[in-house]
Amino acid sequence: ETGVTQSPTHLIKTRGQQVTLRCSSQSGHNTVSWYQQALGQGPQFIFQYYREEENGRGNFPPRFSGLQFPNYSSELNVNALELDDSALYLCASSLGMSSGANVLTFGAGSRLTVL
Amino acid sequence: QQQVKQSPQSLIVQKGGISIINCAYENTAFDYFPWYQQFPGKGPALLIAIRPDVSEKKEGRFTISFNKSAKQFSLHIMDSQPGDSATYFCAATLESSASKIIFGSGTRLSIRP
Repeated sequence: ETGVTQSPTHLIKTRGQQVTLRCSSQSGHNTVSWYQQALGQGPQFIFQYYREEENGRGNFPPRFSGLQFPNYSSELNVNALELDDSALYLCASSLGMSSGANVLTFGAGSRLTVL
Repeated sequence: QQQVKQSPQSLIVQKGGISIINCAYENTAFDYFPWYQQFPGKGPALLIAIRPDVSEKKEGRFTISFNKSAKQFSLHIMDSQPGDSATYFCAATLESSASKIIFGSGTRLSIRP
């Protein structure tokens, strides 16, 4: 059984650029959620995808968008990068809409630095 | 808004001692309270969780104490070991919201040998 894998592990962008982060779900999981973890803080919920549709969103602007693919993998896209977007971006998978829905399996994250 | 408040920010405990981390929540609708453990360079991993219909849950050396009337819950680590050194996050969620979990700000725990 493979866990959640994320790529890239580290990347550096400049303000105004766009970035795409990728996530492969744990085998058997059909729901993906994305979290932003600023340095020294707890993760903050960005959004969740279930059956390829956004199914819940946190307090993040529309320039944060995502996709889920038929194999349950996912992408997080951030446009018009700002300095405050510098953070660890975590992907988590779960069994959506079931008794295991609250049990998240996190990946190791993608560390984004915006200069 | 900070819906889950966690303290202390950092904690140093001697090997074999008891580590205690406290959390308070605001939304009385929350119905699932997990604790996550995060090691450097890794994502958070579920450690133990409780629902508000019980006041305590124990798994090995880890115990959650839950006080529904005070809207507080805490993690106790008995016989703390150097391998327990990590950042711990309390969290809360609505089971109906599935993976939208509200995390506390974290406690960096160091166990001194």
